[in-house]
Amino acid sequence: SQQGEEDPQALSIQEGENATMNCSYKTSINNLQWYRQNSGRGLVHLILIRSNEREKHSGRLRVTLDTSKKSSSLLITASRAADTASYFCATEESGNTPLVFGKGTRLSVIA
Amino acid sequence: KAGVTQTPRYLIKTRGQQVTLSCSPISGHRSVSWYQQTPGQGLQFLFEYFSETQRNKGNFPGRFSGRQFSNSRSEMNVSTLELGDSALYLCASSSFGTGGGNEQFFGPGTRLTVL
Repeated sequence: SQQGEEDPQALSIQEGENATMNCSYKTSINNLQWYRQNSGRGLVHLILIRSNEREKHSGRLRVTLDTSKKSSSLLITASRAADTASYFCATEESGNTPLVFGKGTRLSVIA
Repeated sequence: KAGVTQTPRYLIKTRGQQVTLSCSPISGHRSVSWYQQTPGQGLQFLFEYFSETQRNKGNFPGRFSGRQFSNSRSEMNVSTLELGDSALYLCASSSFGTGGGNEQFFGPGTRLTVL
């Protein structure tokens, strides 16, 4: 079953613009992770934010987490054509429970 | 280190057949998780193996099974294939498995088509 729901389902922007993707989830979590998937291939881990953190940065990525609203956002700044991919949030509820993925946001960055 | 490898990369089967997919984790990783990805259902967790023991199982019928060997390599088997089993099957490895915020490293997937 899906825990996270990403919004929007698809996003198209020009190179150099910022891209923001949102994720909402339903239960209490230990952490939330974001992954990227290039067309039909494996997923690549981008960033993890724990439930006691509110914001985290990694290069051009900024992730926020609002546990009161059960939501997270992923911001990619100064996007590049190579950022074109699907982005998934995944939540981990408690120890030894599997990651539960949302359905993803398809990002297209046009050069 | 070499990444997660999955074989075969592509597979075409007919309904009623069975199939075995293989996953070799990153050296030193003891956990292997399997996921099914379809356009309609997205990424669905199948099962996780840690040190040869199944630690978690998703909500899939008994036709889906798996195992892990002492070298941490894992196989999953689907018997009596149905059209709806057509999907990208992904495996992921990690050092300590799910829980605790361990990063999952994914393989490229096996694309299974059932005719």
